[in-house]
Order: sequence, then structure tokens, then C-alpha cells
Amino acid sequence: KNQVEQSPQSLIILEGKNCTLQCNYTVSPFSNLRWYKQDTGRGPVSLTIMTFSENTKSNGRYTATLDADTKQSSLHITASQLSDSASYICVVSGTAALIFGKGTTLSVSS
Amino acid sequence: DGGITQSPKYLFRKEGQNVTLSCEQNLNHDAMYWYRQDPGQGLRLIYYSQIVNDFQKGDIAEGYSVSREKKESFPLTVTSAQKNPTAFYLCASSTRLAGADNEQFFGPGTRLTVL
Repeated sequence: KNQVEQSPQSLIILEGKNCTLQCNYTVSPFSNLRWYKQDTGRGPVSLTIMTFSENTKSNGRYTATLDADTKQSSLHITASQLSDSASYICVVSGTAALIFGKGTTLSVSS
Repeated sequence: DGGITQSPKYLFRKEGQNVTLSCEQNLNHDAMYWYRQDPGQGLRLIYYSQIVNDFQKGDIAEGYSVSREKKESFPLTVTSAQKNPTAFYLCASSTRLAGADNEQFFGPGTRLTVL
């Protein structure tokens, strides 16, 4: 069964600290993996996309990694800011369908 | 401005009423989608459309209906047959049906509450 599991479910960190969010998937065949950021009450916005051959991709303070062998991805946030408080959703694309994780809710406090 | 718009932002419905959520895009995308989001759950696909005058059921289509008369518009009707319609509804579009190398762009969402 195609599944995307994210951990932790929620996370609280202090402003300026780093954090790492995890995404494990069992989608097959695999096409690509995206990380989305969703602010409360808003639609998701794409942060990164990674294909099978890519290991690391950065977007400012966001760095995504992908290990296609173990079917794991991580999203690392450096020097967190209050505006990073949001839900982060991992989405894996198969051949003709998207499988959404339930998301990790990140709260950054001052 | 290019993008996807959804209206209204908030919608209240009495039990037994049908309501229609609007979704418009000016990205010239062929494919459009409707998702439902509930607290603690991932997005679930309600309906999708690859092209004008064609649409397909997603994973949770019961109690919902759609139309695709224009490329830019993909309205969703929540009917009285939907037993638990209170949720956050997201519309999305992509250049073609989601799959390899094809990003979905999301609208701002509509929060529907049944009174």
C-alpha cells in the first residue's frame, strides 16, 4: 500500500534553533518527492522537489535530503524564524497519483 | 497576478443545504483538483479534472459534485448527502495531470462549517 509517514507529528523549538523533519514513504513506483509549507488557514506552497537521482536540494534556509534506497527524506530548517511556524507536508508522486503525508506542525517561539 | 483563487474564504451551511465552492485559475493549467483537509489528516482527493468537460472521482467523492465547463473554473458542490462536510477545502491546478515532474499549485482554501 502506498503510504507517506511523517514524524514528528508536532514540534516546538526556540527561534534561531535548527530542526529536522522526517518523511518515510512506501510509494512505488517513485517519481518525485515534494515538501510543502502550509501556513494556518492557507493553501500549501511548494518548498522543494526531489527526483530519484537527487540527494540534496536547498531553498534558502530549507534543505531537503532524499535517500531513495531507504525511502526516506528529511527537511532541515536552519536558524528558525517565527515565520517558519507552519505545517510541513511531504508529498510523494507515483506515476499518476500524489500521496500526501499528514504533516508536521512546527511552532517557533521567541 | 497569476494564481488560483477560491471563494468564499469562510462558508456556513445549514444541515440539508447544498453549497457551492468556487475555484478559478488563470495559470492556463489543464488539470484541476479538489481536496479536503481535516485536522490531523493528510489531504484527501475529492475530484479531479484533466480537461474541460471531463472529471473523475477521487478517494472521497461521495456527497460531492463538480463541473468543468471552462478551463479556468472548477466549482465544487457539497450536497446534503455529505454527512460530515465541515472541513477545509483546497483547490489546486497543474499543467497536466499530477505525476512525474508536475507541480500542483494550491488556492488559499475555503473553510466550510455546518451549523
